[in-house]
Amino acid sequence: NAGVIQTPRHKVTGKGQEATLWCEPISGHSAVFWYRQTIVQGLEFLTYFRNQAPIDDSGMPKERFSAQMPNQSHSTLKIQSTQPQDSAVYLCASSLDWGVYEQYFGPGTRLTVL
Amino acid sequence: QQKVQQSPESLIVPEGGMASLNCTSSDRNVDYFWWYRQHSGKSPKMLMSIFSNGEKEEGRFTVHLNKASLHTSLHIRDSQPSDSALYLCAAGDTNAYKVIFGKGTHLHVLP
Repeated sequence: NAGVIQTPRHKVTGKGQEATLWCEPISGHSAVFWYRQTIVQGLEFLTYFRNQAPIDDSGMPKERFSAQMPNQSHSTLKIQSTQPQDSAVYLCASSLDWGVYEQYFGPGTRLTVL
Repeated sequence: QQKVQQSPESLIVPEGGMASLNCTSSDRNVDYFWWYRQHSGKSPKMLMSIFSNGEKEEGRFTVHLNKASLHTSLHIRDSQPSDSALYLCAAGDTNAYKVIFGKGTHLHVLP
């Protein structure tokens, strides 16, 4: 089991450019979460899918962020018109299902917006 | 406002000492807690979970939960330098399908 896979590991974009981050959850896991982590804000919840359906996107900045899960083997987080304040480590996690199950985190994508 | 408060923000203990970390939720709907550990440059990994009142022990790690006060604590005895990490508390609300993480406690164990 390779664990949660995230690509790329590092991404540098210029202000105003688009960034797409990829996540492959652990096979058989039905819940997929996206988080953003910075020193100042800590680990912030962005959005969550269950059986590929979006359940809660209350943490997503509405205007420029979007997430999709077109099939059970991958999810994408897209940030349009990136801004310097979007610089962070973006973490994807999966769990067997919603509820008492632990979340397994991927290695993260470090996004730097110049 | 932060719904999961962790204290202290930073903790220094000598090798072999006891480390005590605290976590409280302000959301009365929370019904379970996890503790995750994140070493520098790595992603968080679950350490322990607790859903019922009382205490749970796994090796050098003990977790307490008081559901009435929505307070959980993590105690690490015989702390080792390898325990130095960011400890994150997560609180879950089953009905709202929501998990909120605290900002964490930075633990430094000095050899």
